[in-house]
Amino acid sequence: GAGVSQSPSNKVTEKGKDVELRCDPISGHTALYWYRQSLGQGLEFLIYFQGNSAPDKSGLPSDRFSAERTGGSVSTLTIQRTQQEDSAVYLCASSLAVGSYEQYFGPGTRLTVT
Amino acid sequence: GESVGLHLPTLSVQEGDNSIINCAYSNSASDYFIWYKQESGKGPQFIIDIRSNMDKRQGQRVTVLLNKTVKHLSLQIAATQPGDSAVYFCAETVMNSGYSTLTFGKGTMLLVSP
Repeated sequence: GAGVSQSPSNKVTEKGKDVELRCDPISGHTALYWYRQSLGQGLEFLIYFQGNSAPDKSGLPSDRFSAERTGGSVSTLTIQRTQQEDSAVYLCASSLAVGSYEQYFGPGTRLTVT
Repeated sequence: GESVGLHLPTLSVQEGDNSIINCAYSNSASDYFIWYKQESGKGPQFIIDIRSNMDKRQGQRVTVLLNKTVKHLSLQIAATQPGDSAVYFCAETVMNSGYSTLTFGKGTMLLVSP
């Protein structure tokens, strides 16, 4: 596609349920990043991928959060046993390579945990 | 003013005015900076970047100024238009740090009145 796409655009889930958020990066971009943006706040780095590997998972808030990337393309961010404090916009970005600093962002997935 | 809780600093200007958005960054080792624009419901969009060996860089209607002595970055928008209304984030990183994770500021909301 022309840009980074994310699905779903909105997700409402009940506390305790698991959710999967999907990111489809720009074709050919080897680096992929996940961020979380809470209401009125800046972007909180969660995890990045270089190819299929995730060298730095230190930004994940708890062990309920995990992410994977397969085929060097699509990535999924999974949140298990969701809590109300997980409510936020989850943004995905991609860049040509890890050494390329310009990151292209998707529109985000707005997650609401009730 | 400074953001407290969920409240973003807000700059309100009239169409045609020049706007100046400020950012204080935290890491004295940061040597690459980016300004992003985020419109409502969309992901952040790259505006302009600057490396630490420069103190000024100009783009189309935008200028970024960097003062490393006081760790301050500013974005100047000339002849502000209603379409410039958005939240603006500065981001910093240390180049050649192994990967290009950006640290984002909390953002400033720019409101442009016709």
